[in-house]
Amino acid sequence: NAGVMQNPRHLVRRRGQEARLRCSPMKGHSHVYWYRQLPEEGLKFMVYLQKENIIDESGMPKERFSAEFPKEGPSILRIQQVVRGDSAAYFCASSLGGNTEAFFGQGTRLTVV
Amino acid sequence: GENVEQHPSTLSVQEGDSAVIKCTYSDSASNYFPWYKQELGKRPQLIIDIRSNVGEKKDQRIAVTLNKTAKHFSLHITETQPEDSAVYFCAASISNYGQNFVFGPGTRLSVLP
Repeated sequence: NAGVMQNPRHLVRRRGQEARLRCSPMKGHSHVYWYRQLPEEGLKFMVYLQKENIIDESGMPKERFSAEFPKEGPSILRIQQVVRGDSAAYFCASSLGGNTEAFFGQGTRLTVV
Repeated sequence: GENVEQHPSTLSVQEGDSAVIKCTYSDSASNYFPWYKQELGKRPQLIIDIRSNVGEKKDQRIAVTLNKTAKHFSLHITETQPEDSAVYFCAASISNYGQNFVFGPGTRLSVLP
């Protein structure tokens, strides 16, 4: 089991460009969670998805951010028209079901220049 | 919504001593409390968790206690070793339907040789 895979590990974008972050959950896991971590800070919940459904997006900014978890393929976190304040590490986690252990990927470090 | 506080923010102990990190939560509906360890530049890794129907759980040198009435839980590390140095995050789940945790701000533990 390869674990939770995120790519790219590092992503540099100019202000105004789009960033696409991918997350492949552990085999058999259908629950995916995205978190943002600013340097020297904790993990902030963004969105929780099950296959093809957004369950909770209460932590997601209302504009420019979107997430999906299609029937086939990885979960995608999309940030449109990036700004410097979007620079952070974005971690995804997956779990087998609700209220079970969640395992994190290595994260994608987004730098907006 | 849920709010998780964590103390202390930094902790230095001598190798072999014990370390205790404390967290409080606000939502009495929270029922799952994991602890994650994050080394510099790496993913958060689950080290121990506890559910609300249990008061204490131990795994070798690590133990977690939960006081539901007071809404606080603590991580105890005994016989600390230099490799225990990392940032530790507590979290509380705010839903029975998934791990959209609210994380504490983290404790940076340094174990001095």
